[in-house]
Amino acid sequence: NAGVTQTPKFRVLKTGQSMTLLCAQDMNHEYMYWYRQDPGMGLRLIHYSVGEGTTAKGEVPDGYNVSRLKKQNFLLGLESAAPSQTSVYFCASSYALAGTQETQYFGPGTRLLVL
Amino acid sequence: AQTVTQSQPEMSVQEAETVTLSCTYDTSESDYYLFWYKQPPSRQMILVIRQEAYKQQNATENRFSVNFQKAAKSFSLKISDSQLGDAAMYFCAYRRGAQKLVFGQGTRLTINP
Repeated sequence: NAGVTQTPKFRVLKTGQSMTLLCAQDMNHEYMYWYRQDPGMGLRLIHYSVGEGTTAKGEVPDGYNVSRLKKQNFLLGLESAAPSQTSVYFCASSYALAGTQETQYFGPGTRLLVL
Repeated sequence: AQTVTQSQPEMSVQEAETVTLSCTYDTSESDYYLFWYKQPPSRQMILVIRQEAYKQQNATENRFSVNFQKAAKSFSLKISDSQLGDAAMYFCAYRRGAQKLVFGQGTRLTINP
């Protein structure tokens, strides 16, 4: 049971390049999330998904797209990277039910540098 | 909109001592969840403790406990017998139902040997 994994761990992009970040979870969670973490800002939600085939916008969705074609995977895409997207990206997942299943489990993060 | 505020950017404590990290939040809801997450240098976000708003009893996990004051919208984390491995960024977070987490800005905790 690997939990939540993210690929890649680190990436350097040039302005205008595109890339996709992959998040995978093996806990059969319905909900998945993408956050970005910037110094002094805490974590901010980019997009989230409440189930396979569904996505929704979070607090800071501009410049990003997501897809949830399979329940266990949640992809975050940058079509045209900008220096403002330099950040650490975290994926998380959780069950949709109340109680102890409310907890969000986080991946190890992806550090992205856009030059 | 819900907001979470951590007013202490940095805290330090002597090893084996007790430290309290502050968190306040703003919401008009009555049913929600509160969390403390730890982020060590490895950057992995680790759940430390959670509190359901409908429970009056403060949550406790070994050396970690919370002081949940619902009327004051305050949710502080107390770490007893601090250990070097407790050094990390600590984030307070709010969640209602199965919706997104709203995080505070974080508090960097340093443990002095």
